[in-house]
Amino acid sequence: DGGITQSPKYLFRKEGQNVTLSCEQNLNHDAMYWYRQDPGQGLRLIYYSQIVNDFQKGDIAEGYSVSREKKESFPLTVTSAQKNPTAFYLCASKFGRPGSPTEAFFGQGTRLTVV
Amino acid sequence: DAKTTQPPSMDCAEGRAANLPCNHSTISGNEYVYWYRQIHSQGPQYIIHGLKNNETNEMASLIITEDRKSSTLILPHATLRDTAVYYCIVQGYNKFYFGSGTKLNVKP
Repeated sequence: DGGITQSPKYLFRKEGQNVTLSCEQNLNHDAMYWYRQDPGQGLRLIYYSQIVNDFQKGDIAEGYSVSREKKESFPLTVTSAQKNPTAFYLCASKFGRPGSPTEAFFGQGTRLTVV
Repeated sequence: DAKTTQPPSMDCAEGRAANLPCNHSTISGNEYVYWYRQIHSQGPQYIIHGLKNNETNEMASLIITEDRKSSTLILPHATLRDTAVYYCIVQGYNKFYFGSGTKLNVKP
């Protein structure tokens, strides 16, 4: 079945360590996105990518990095520079050109906790 | 990119229609209105989208005002499983922004 998969579902990290969250899709979607969600809040855009080897910062990119070496994969690294990394992270993908009227598909999220 | 404004919460009786409003007064002519919902601790789920005409699918109806500055999502017969946070989004050229959404509480 086609879909978008995030792993792991739960992740614990020691303060000062980098950690990478995985996002894979087999929907042949061009665009991929990373969002952060804090308790009781909406989603905030971290990074997005429209094509392979290209990505753009969202509203809260500081302390995060991404890569887009393959169309199917858009991993997010939470670096030690991110001051408050504990949050729920959501990955999404979307087919088509920028601005095209197609819906986004979301993964089930990764809950990151810094201990 | 246009932003949206939604009430933080609404209640609805089971079996009744739920009408969720959204204001998007700065929407541009080629921007679409999308609705998603998020059930606790899951990824958001697409519901419906539209440009200027009213739209209906198996899940909901979307009513967009003629000036396109606001819209209403209608769940015709709400069930307890429709309890979720509903997000109204205006899709810009490259990205789309989620506001805080409306928490819909469907009560028996």
